[in-house]
Amino acid sequence: EVQLVESGGGLVQPGGSLRLSCAASGFTVSSNYMSWVRQAPGKGLEWVSVIYSGGSTYYADSVKGRFTISRDNSKNTLYLQMNSLRAEDTAVYYCARARPVGYSYGLDYWGQGTLVTVSS
Amino acid sequence: AIQMTQSPSSLSASVGDRVTITCRASQGIRTDLGWYQQKPGKAPKLLIYAASSLQSGVPSRFSGSGSGTDFTLTISSLQPEDFATYYCLQDYNYPWTFGQGTKVEIK
Repeated sequence: EVQLVESGGGLVQPGGSLRLSCAASGFTVSSNYMSWVRQAPGKGLEWVSVIYSGGSTYYADSVKGRFTISRDNSKNTLYLQMNSLRAEDTAVYYCARARPVGYSYGLDYWGQGTLVTVSS
Repeated sequence: AIQMTQSPSSLSASVGDRVTITCRASQGIRTDLGWYQQKPGKAPKLLIYAASSLQSGVPSRFSGSGSGTDFTLTISSLQPEDFATYYCLQDYNYPWTFGQGTKVEIK
């Protein structure tokens, strides 16, 4: 059974850092495209980042230069390192598997989400 | 960045109704679009990928169509469990962008 479990969220001060983890089971993270999506309280979904199986990474403009997506193949875990956090980064962060189909993708498995609150 | 404009932002419908949600891209995106359903407090769920392909396990009352800039999600006969918020997502180029969402409520 495919499962994604996020952890690492919490309360952090503006300008601080946090690392989110997404532990996968039922499939191999390194062989798949993996993505992060966030949702601010009461708001819509915002795509954050993706990492390809080959290691290429892409980011939303709002987090570029501050966030880094990575993975640990030995732990079958995806990460999101978040630096220089701002109040507007407050959100539930979801990890998801991005399954390529032709030129398109489907985010077919999602974790339950982890809440990040940036506040003093 | 490609802008995805969803309409309507909300709608009220009854069980058994046919419901249509549209998504318009600010530029052509081929068929590189997915539709997601989200219920309160839950993670989104993939319904449709590549504009018209039904994700495994999703009821056949859900269908998607469109290409280029205009896309549609149709629920042929609304069921009680379909009351939720629906989002489109373009994955044609980076950054991927979601529509603002359509909340489907009970009339």
